[in-house]
Amino acid sequence: DTAVSQTPKYLVTQMGNDKSIKCEQNLGHDTMYWYKQDSKKFLKIMFSYNNKELIINETVPNRFSPKSPDKAHLNLHINSLELGDSAVYFCASSQVAGINQPQHFGDGTRLSIL
Amino acid sequence: QQQVKQSPQSLIVQKGGISIINCAYENTAFDYFPWYQQFPGKGPALLIAIRPDVSEKKEGRFTISFNKSAKQFSLHIMDSQPGDSATYFCAAHTSNTGKLIFGQGTTLQVKP
Repeated sequence: DTAVSQTPKYLVTQMGNDKSIKCEQNLGHDTMYWYKQDSKKFLKIMFSYNNKELIINETVPNRFSPKSPDKAHLNLHINSLELGDSAVYFCASSQVAGINQPQHFGDGTRLSIL
Repeated sequence: QQQVKQSPQSLIVQKGGISIINCAYENTAFDYFPWYQQFPGKGPALLIAIRPDVSEKKEGRFTISFNKSAKQFSLHIMDSQPGDSATYFCAAHTSNTGKLIFGQGTTLQVKP
């Protein structure tokens, strides 16, 4: 049983399109995150939700919109995709926000913009 | 002040040797320091973590050394194995923001 699962694993699309990435965790955690890993492998947090409420919103273009229908799911919708959006996007979850809890990561979605 | 600086960027070690990766930080509000291991095509996975009130933590072949006054911490991998070949990230967390700030990563290659 995969703890944090993301779909799709690969996403290849044209510039200007809109796409979504889905994330689900079965760990019973309250907090979920989206990270972006660039071509140099640098990992940076984008968003965090605690029990469906947005708690971290880094300096991310408003073309990126996270949505949490329930605490087990956190989806990422990206409008008007640009070349610079090409990266690996990771979803993660932790038991509680703001306390030293380990974050569990999915295996990532590799987004390639043509 | 939110940065975590990690070195070296890449490391090659012979099987059985010791791998050492170093990290430094500025923000004294950081209160939790995990290390993550990432294999190609996979997400980062927690390896070992330490709180700043502890100077050393050991789990199997992996040890974190923490120097609070110098604001530095390091990961030591004893008896390095080819299966340890991966990218390692140090990170720092603040409870007041809930953010996990990652270092730049170290690609470790252990030669047989």
